[in-house]
Parts: sequence; structure tokens; C-alpha cells
Amino acid sequence: KQEVTQIPAALSVPEGENLVLNCSFTDSAIYNLQWFRQDPGKGLTSLLLIQSSQREQTSGRLNASLDKSSGRSTLYIAASQPGDSATYLCAVRPNTGNQFYFGTGTSLTVIP
Amino acid sequence: DGGITQSPKYLFRKEGQNVTLSCEQNLNHDAMYWYRQDPGQGLRLIYYSQIVNDFQKGDIAEGYSVSREKKESFPLTVTSAQKNPTAFYLCASSTTPVWGNTIYFGEGSWLTVV
Repeated sequence: KQEVTQIPAALSVPEGENLVLNCSFTDSAIYNLQWFRQDPGKGLTSLLLIQSSQREQTSGRLNASLDKSSGRSTLYIAASQPGDSATYLCAVRPNTGNQFYFGTGTSLTVIP
Repeated sequence: DGGITQSPKYLFRKEGQNVTLSCEQNLNHDAMYWYRQDPGQGLRLIYYSQIVNDFQKGDIAEGYSVSREKKESFPLTVTSAQKNPTAFYLCASSTTPVWGNTIYFGEGSWLTVV
């Protein structure tokens, strides 16, 4: 069974810093990987989707990379802002089966 | 606007009662999912459905039931057999692999046992 891990569980940085969030998965046979943002008491908002054939995706200040062979993905946030404070989750969709597997998330706090 | 609507946002259940959480989507997605999220934990899959009139158990299906009579709707019933139902419940739907297999979420429903 696919297992997805996110480290660290929590991260606190001063405003303006660049930061990297990590996501690792145990089975490299994935169809895609998706990064989400979750604000307290809210649903998940999709940030970036990387298909298995891709190495990275960018949206504004966000850049996500994927290394299937090592079972790792990173989410890079440039010039962090207090509005970036939220929990960030990654999810993988295996090649077979119909489920998505989620990490437990990294809680990010950006201090003004 | 297209999206996933969950209702109610907050629900209180007495011991021994069944309650139903509603999930409606107008994204024309075939697949729909129910997840449970507890504080400090990741999302755990309760049930999912790939097509109308068909659904499969996820990792924590005990004490829950679902139906999929329409493509747009996937209600979740939390039965009295679920011993610890207090949690945040998230409904989701996904596109087919042709469209990238992206998963989208509703805003969630909070269920509290009183």
C-alpha cells in the first residue's frame, strides 16, 4: 500500500523567506502527484498537479518538483507572505486502483 | 460556478442517531469520494464511487454507508454503529485520467456528537 509522508509537520518562517516543503512516497508507480493548501476548517484547494511524465510545475511563487525514482516531491514557495500560512498536503494517485493517498501535511506559519 | 457543495457545514448528533451528510457536484465528474479528517491526522478514505450505482469501501468504512443514485450526488450516512464520529468530513470528486485525474474538494462538514 502506498504511504505518503510529509516532513516537517510544522514550519515557522519570517516573511520574505524562500522555503521548501517535502513529500515522500513509498511506491514510485504513480500516475500523478498533487499539492494542496488547506486553511483551518476549510476544504482542500489544489495548488499544483504534476503528471508522472513531468519533472516540475510552476504557478506564480510556487514551484513543485517530482522525482519518481526516489519517491520524492518538493514544493518551493518563494518570498513567503503571511497569507501563505496554512497546511500544505500532497497526494499521489497510483497507476492502478482508484484511490488517492494523502500525506498528513505540513503546517506553515509565516511571521510578519 | 462549478464546484462541490457539502451540507450542512455544522451538524450535531445525539448518541444512537443516524445522520446524513450531503454532497453535490456540478463538475460532471464520474468519481466521488468521502474522506474523514481528524486533528493532526491525514485524510482517511471512507467510501468512493467510480460510477453511478457502484461504490467501494475505503480504509475506514465501518459505521458508514453511502449511495450513488445520481452522478451529481454522493450522500454519506454516519450510523449509530460508528463509535467515534466526531470529525471533519470532506467530499471530493475527480476527473478521469484523460483529463489529468485531478481531485477537487468541497468545503467540508463538521460533525459533533453531543
